[in-house]
Amino acid sequence: DVKVTQSSRYLVKRTGEKVFLECVQDMDHENMFWYRQDPGLGLRLIYFSYDVKMKEKGDIPEGYSVSREKKERFSLILESTSTNQTSMYLCASQAGTGIRETQYFGPGTRLLVL
Amino acid sequence: AQSVTQPDIHITVSEGASLELRCNYSYGATPYLFWYVQSPGQGLQLLLKYFSGDTLVQGIKGFEAEFKRSQSSFNLRKPSVHWSDAAEYFCAVLDTPLVFGKGTRLSVIA
Repeated sequence: DVKVTQSSRYLVKRTGEKVFLECVQDMDHENMFWYRQDPGLGLRLIYFSYDVKMKEKGDIPEGYSVSREKKERFSLILESTSTNQTSMYLCASQAGTGIRETQYFGPGTRLLVL
Repeated sequence: AQSVTQPDIHITVSEGASLELRCNYSYGATPYLFWYVQSPGQGLQLLLKYFSGDTLVQGIKGFEAEFKRSQSSFNLRKPSVHWSDAAEYFCAVLDTPLVFGKGTRLSVIA
């Protein structure tokens, strides 16, 4: 079974703090994704990566950056958190570049910024 | 760009009743369509997907979906809902990468 793990399930931070959200997958998948999920807005893509050291902006990259130094790990970085970044953050991974490949999701990190 | 609309924000059904969750997409060519489910506090799990061929797709947990090109729809169905089906359901279309609808929350009552 594919396993996607996220470093934290819940985080509480103060405005202006730096936050690292880590995602690790154990199936040697090439593609990894970061989404945020908000009530009434569904999932919105922040960044994705098709390979090590490669990244692409999604629909809402502002205020975020990412790092992919190793194939299995994809980190989302919030340099200076703001209250509007309070959200559920979901990581996903996907094998290959075939369009038929399924995305597998981690359990999510619920971030509260005070 | 492709888009997905899930017209129902919240649906409540009785346990044992049938279920249909609606999904409409916009795309010029043949779409690749997915349904995901998110149980409370969990990540998303793939229920089923459609790429081509038979327009009625069977998935896990007794779900099925029917692709109707003429209606630009990919509705999810289940003949008899169980209390454990209470969750949020997302329809998605592939636009490299996925584009998700806003979700439909399903509540199941006894």
